[in-house]
Amino acid sequence: GAGVSQSPSNKVTEKGKDVELRCDPISGHTALYWYRQRLGQGLEFLIYFQGNSAPDKSGLPSDRFSAERTGESVSTLTIQRTQQEDSAVYLCASSLISGASEQYFGPGTRLTVT
Amino acid sequence: RKEVEQDPGPFNVPEGATVAFNCTYSNSASQSFFWYRQDCRKEPKLLMSVYSSGNEDGRFTAQLNRASQYISLLIRDSKLSDSATYLCVVNMLTGGSYIPTFGRGTSLIVHP
Repeated sequence: GAGVSQSPSNKVTEKGKDVELRCDPISGHTALYWYRQRLGQGLEFLIYFQGNSAPDKSGLPSDRFSAERTGESVSTLTIQRTQQEDSAVYLCASSLISGASEQYFGPGTRLTVT
Repeated sequence: RKEVEQDPGPFNVPEGATVAFNCTYSNSASQSFFWYRQDCRKEPKLLMSVYSSGNEDGRFTAQLNRASQYISLLIRDSKLSDSATYLCVVNMLTGGSYIPTFGRGTSLIVHP
């Protein structure tokens, strides 16, 4: 079956512009996660959606970051007024249920802010 | 103190060697444990889950010690293709939700 997909695969934007990143999880997966990975660094948790529950936004680094998810399908991560320190790979993952099950990652969106 | 800690390495070993990675976690209210593999400029992929009784998958063996809050991964008969970064992941209870918390990874280089 289809895995997690993300778009765009690469995005170059100018400082101060807004960007929107998209994630399509595996069908039937109720949990969806966004992570950020800077070059040579580990994964940094950003936000987590579980079904129709309120999302866990505890990892969002600033109010310039927001994310939405429509039911148990597509999610978008929006970064407003991008800064150079936002340059990173943004990874989305989904899992069947939260807590116990393994995650499946998309290929990521490589964001470069110039 | 980081919640999930790993030795970053790199571990540089010859083909055929046995190598072990360790991972410690700080939150005793942790539910499930995994090892992921991440190749350069690729997304992480699940290597194996870690069960309390220990489990083996071919050349890979994972162990969990809940009392010591410690996880290990043993790779026997290393192959060149095992070269990658190995990520320890712990699903920790944080603010009412179980959030997968990643270690920074241990780099493995297998040379001929």
